[in-house]
This record gives sequence, C-alpha cells and structure tokens, in this order.
Amino acid sequence: KNQVEQSPQSLIILEGKNCTLQCNYTVSPFSNLRWYKQDTGRGPVSLTIMTFSENTKSNGRYTATLDADTKQSSLHITASQLSDSASYICVVSGKSTFGDGTTLTVKP
Amino acid sequence: SAVISQKPSRDICQRGTSLTIQCQVDSQVTMMFWYRQQPGQSLTLIATANQGSEATYESGFVIDKFPISRPNLTFSTLTVSNMSPEDSSIYLCSVDGTGNNNEQFFGPGTRLTVL
Repeated sequence: KNQVEQSPQSLIILEGKNCTLQCNYTVSPFSNLRWYKQDTGRGPVSLTIMTFSENTKSNGRYTATLDADTKQSSLHITASQLSDSASYICVVSGKSTFGDGTTLTVKP
Repeated sequence: SAVISQKPSRDICQRGTSLTIQCQVDSQVTMMFWYRQQPGQSLTLIATANQGSEATYESGFVIDKFPISRPNLTFSTLTVSNMSPEDSSIYLCSVDGTGNNNEQFFGPGTRLTVL
C-alpha cells in the first residue's frame, strides 16, 4: 500500500531556532516529492518539488532533501519566524499520496 | 502558476441539505481535482473532473453523494448531498500546473460545518 508517513506529528520551537521535519514514503512508482505549507483555514501552498534525481532543493529559509534509495525526505527550516507556524504536508507522486502533516508552532 | 478561487469560503448547513461548492481557475486546465480534508487529517482525493466527461471517483466516494460538474476548462462545482455531521470538512479544489514542473495548486478551501 502506498503510504507517506510524517514525523513528528507536532512540533513547538522558539522563534529564531531551526527545525527539521521528516517524511518517509513507500509510494511506487515515484515521480516527485513535494512539500507544502498550509496555514490554518487556507489551502496548501507549494514550498519545494523534487524529482528522483534531485537531492536537495531550497526555497528561501526552507531546504528539502531527498534520498530516493531510503525513500526519505526532510524539510529544514532555518531561523524560524512566527509566520512559519502552519501545517507542513509531504506529498509523493506517481499518484499523489499525502502525508498527515506536521503541525509547527513557532513561539516568541 | 494558477490562481484558484472557491465559493463559499465557509458555510454552516443543516443535516439532510445539500451544498454546492464552486471552483474557478484563472487559466484553462484539463483536469481539476476535488479533495476533502477532515479535521486534523490530511487531504483525501474525492474525484478528478475532466471537461466534457464524467468525473472519476476514488474508492469510498460516489457520484450520488458528491456530484461534480465541469462545464468548461476554468470552472467546476462539487455538491455535497444529503449532508450529515460526518461531512464536516474542508473541501479543496486543485489543478496541475502547466508545463513540466510537476506543480499542483490548491484553492483556499471551503470549510463546511454540518449541524
């Protein structure tokens, strides 16, 4: 069964700190892996998209990594800001399979 | 990129009634997708809507409960029929980006509460 598992389920950090979110998947065939940010009451917004051959992709303070051999990805957030408080969703395609997300809370 | 709008943004409905959600895209797209996001959970694909043909529903979703219209390449509607409290969710419209960038864009969602 195609699955995408994210950890941790929730995370609280202080403003200015870094954090890393994890995504493990068993989706096959693999086409791409995407990280989304979903603010409360909003639709998901794309942060990064990586294909099989890409190991890392950055978007400002967000850096995603992909290890296609171990089927793992991570999203690293640098120098967190209060506006980073959101749910972060990992999506793996072939057929889009969504993780349950990590809820990040950044506190002042 | 694609800009997607949805109407209504939220609604509170009575059990047994139906609600139609509208999705408008600022560009022509072949496929439009409807997702459901139940409280505290991630997105689940309800169906894929192609213009000019019947929607393709995922396992667990049926046309009688979630009828979909796709009259043209920029617009779609999803109806939640005979609602029950279990239908309380966020419903999201989505489209694939043009080109080869594997992008997927989402609307802002419609937050539905069924009493």
